[in-house]
Amino acid sequence: NAGVMQNPRHLVRRRGQEARLRCSPMKGHSHVYWYRQLPEEGLKFMVYLQKENIIDESGMPKERFSAEFPKEGPSILRIQQVVRGDSAAYFCASSPLSTDYSNTQYFGPGTRLTVL
Amino acid sequence: TQLLEQSPQFLSIQEGENLTVYCNSSSVFSSLQWYRQEPGEGPVLLVTVVTGGEVKKLKRLTFQFGDARKDSSLHITAAQPGDTGLYLCAGGGTGNQFYFGTGTSLTVIP
Repeated sequence: NAGVMQNPRHLVRRRGQEARLRCSPMKGHSHVYWYRQLPEEGLKFMVYLQKENIIDESGMPKERFSAEFPKEGPSILRIQQVVRGDSAAYFCASSPLSTDYSNTQYFGPGTRLTVL
Repeated sequence: TQLLEQSPQFLSIQEGENLTVYCNSSSVFSSLQWYRQEPGEGPVLLVTVVTGGEVKKLKRLTFQFGDARKDSSLHITAAQPGDTGLYLCAGGGTGNQFYFGTGTSLTVIP
């Protein structure tokens, strides 16, 4: 059973370009979460999605950032017109639909975005 | 926002010593997870606790969930260099949402 997959692992963009980060959840998982992490810091929640629905995007910057989780295919985190401050590690996690309180997230290896 | 505070933020100890990391909140969580993250990698799940007062052991690691399900601790016995990493706690709320702690960076010196 493959874990959460993210690609690319490393992404370099110049200021003003677009960055697209992909996340394939674990098989059977219907929930996807995106987080951003700066060096020596914890994880900052960005957005929580189910298939074709954004459930909570309270951590997403209002401009330039968007996320989707289509019916088919991976979840995409899209950053338009990147700036140097967007340089960070972006992690995706997935979890199954759970009706009890033992639900848990499983993380991918992350995408390291560097903006030149 | 349900905030989880971890302490200490940084910890550097000698191999063989014991240590405890704390994860505290004023909010009640339905579950709590502990993760370890190594440089350049994603967080790896160590344990999930769901019952107030629950204690789980994983080799030299002991995890406890507070009776009121607001806090948790991670105790490591006889730390080894391989324990070095960033330890993160995460609280599960309703609606499949999770709230991460601020992290504890542990360095075990050989």
